[in-house]
Amino acid sequence: QVQLQQSGTELVKPASSVKISCKASGYTFTSNYMHWIRQQPGNGLEWIGWIYPGNGNTKYNQKFDGKATLTADKSSSTAYMQLSSLTSEDSAVYFCARGVYFDYWGQGVMVTVSS
Amino acid sequence: DIQMTQSPSSMSVSLGDTVTITCRASQDVGIYVNWFQQKPGKSPRRMIYRATNLADGVPSRFSGSRSGSDYSLTISSLESEDVADYHCLQYDEYPYTFGAGTKLELK
Repeated sequence: QVQLQQSGTELVKPASSVKISCKASGYTFTSNYMHWIRQQPGNGLEWIGWIYPGNGNTKYNQKFDGKATLTADKSSSTAYMQLSSLTSEDSAVYFCARGVYFDYWGQGVMVTVSS
Repeated sequence: DIQMTQSPSSMSVSLGDTVTITCRASQDVGIYVNWFQQKPGKSPRRMIYRATNLADGVPSRFSGSRSGSDYSLTISSLESEDVADYHCLQYDEYPYTFGAGTKLELK
């Protein structure tokens, strides 16, 4: 069965970076887009971008240009998102979601930015 | 960016009610609208895709419809497990955008 297993909670300092992961199983990793989505506390959902692991192509929401970098490791079927120059505004839950139609989602990673 | 104006933001409901949530797109997004259910502390679950298609495993009391730029999610005969937040998403044009969400609460 399709599963997206995300890495654990992160507590990070302002101005630092963090890299979170999304390990895929149960399907062909290289043949499906992987989206990343942010949910700030008490807020709605925001689409960050996607990566196509088969060729490494990416598409970003312009709002997250320079903030988020999406990569994928085909050998381990894992997608990554690095967030840089962190501020309190980046404190949120980050989800990965599969495919054109967002059919499967990871459990989410809570990132807290605090000194 | 395309705005998905979702209404209502919250709704007080009773078991057995028929509930309709609507998203209005600021530009044409065709059929590329999904609906998601989200319970506290959980990830979103896809309920409807391409505006009107029921996702696998979703009860048939859920349905999606489109009238022009208005997209609706209807829950017929609401059950307790349906009390949750609901979000719409357009994925026709970049950046993909979500509605602000609708919170269903029991009266």
